[in-house]
Amino acid sequence: DAGVIQSPRHEVTEMGQEVTLRCKPISGHNSLFWYRQTMMRGLELLIYFNNNVPIDDSGMPEDRFSAKMPNASFSTLKIQPSEPRDSAVYFCASSLSVRQETQYFGPGTRLLVL
Amino acid sequence: QKEVEQNSGPLSVPEGAIASLNCTYSDRGSQSFFWYRQYSGKSPELIMSIYSNGDKEDGRFTAQLNKASQYVSLLIRDSQPSDSATYLCAVNIRNTGGFKTIFGAGTRLFVKA
Repeated sequence: DAGVIQSPRHEVTEMGQEVTLRCKPISGHNSLFWYRQTMMRGLELLIYFNNNVPIDDSGMPEDRFSAKMPNASFSTLKIQPSEPRDSAVYFCASSLSVRQETQYFGPGTRLLVL
Repeated sequence: QKEVEQNSGPLSVPEGAIASLNCTYSDRGSQSFFWYRQYSGKSPELIMSIYSNGDKEDGRFTAQLNKASQYVSLLIRDSQPSDSATYLCAVNIRNTGGFKTIFGAGTRLFVKA
């Protein structure tokens, strides 16, 4: 298996622009997670899905952030409009079970908002 | 109190020594505990999971869990320079959706050759 796939790997954009991050989970995994990692705040869970349904989005920082999972093999995280404080590494992870056991992380997207 | 706490380090040990990493958590109902390793610029990868009180060994790694004291630790025997990384403790805590995984801030480990 190719593992969790994320794109793009790097993104540089200007404040106010829309950013869309993409994730393909491991085939057969039922749960998908979006995390953000910064030096100051560490690894934070933004939102997670079970069977394509959002379960907990309490970590989404504000309405500028939205996430979708239209099918079992694809998810997006959108930031609109982007701000410099959104600069971080965004990880997508997937796991087999609804109880969120072992999570497999993608390579991450490094986002820089100027 | 943070939900999952770790000493940020850095923890420096000589090659061949035992590295001891500790983590405490706040939710007494937590059932699943994990240690992830993250090399600089890379994504976290699972190295150990533990669900029951006591020790669990896997090669040079031993995870220890004490639910009464709400702590989990990771011992790395015969530390190697390649073990130098940030180690993240993760705990599943209860929430309205069932459970969610909370990560600690991580402990940076340096193994000196």
